[in-house]
Amino acid sequence: GQQLNQSPQSMFIQEGEDVSMNCTSSSIFNTWLWYKQDPGEGPVLLIALYKAGELTSNGRLTAQFGITRKDSFLNISASIPSDVGIYFCAGLDFGNEKLTFGTGTRLTIIP
Amino acid sequence: DTGVSQDPRHKITKRGQNVTFRCDPISEHNRLYWYRQTLGQGPEFLTYFQNEAQLEKSRLLSDRFSAERPKGSFSTLEIQRTEQGDSAMYLCASSRSGRETQYFGPGTRLLVL
Repeated sequence: GQQLNQSPQSMFIQEGEDVSMNCTSSSIFNTWLWYKQDPGEGPVLLIALYKAGELTSNGRLTAQFGITRKDSFLNISASIPSDVGIYFCAGLDFGNEKLTFGTGTRLTIIP
Repeated sequence: DTGVSQDPRHKITKRGQNVTFRCDPISEHNRLYWYRQTLGQGPEFLTYFQNEAQLEKSRLLSDRFSAERPKGSFSTLEIQRTEQGDSAMYLCASSRSGRETQYFGPGTRLLVL
């Protein structure tokens, strides 16, 4: 099935660094969601975006809904050890209820 | 905690056996979704329900797969004659209504030997 393109695939950073990742699609979405998944667990919702151009924050996390509706960005500031995991973007297009997920960005914090 | 729950969390079975998974959505959520996630990939949509009605099925859902939500509350996903390729994490999600945020359960990890 279709999966959105996420980059980077993986990131190795030091604690305290800022993180940026993005998600792109060849088609338009009307809702963008960002989830975090820990090993052996289900995805946990971080941020939901509903309007093109929208910028939303949740603590140290900030996400933006791209103006073209074909992309979204997630930034994490001042990373901490519990930020380790896999981050997925997901899109929802108009008239559809199934989420299309990205390929994931694996975040690792180097001691 | 009143989040989405799934049972069992892990299942190991032999090829050819039937397995059934259960999902209990968040109370009063009328939408229930099933996704499958293989290693290194994002979840992929399988099917979803509005109350007890199954409204859409992915082509990933072969005829060996069947899902039900008989009373519009919990749902079951059955896989008949399991194959090694069915090994994956099966995720359930629910939402209050269509096009609202989907909240996921912890998943059932299936291993077919």
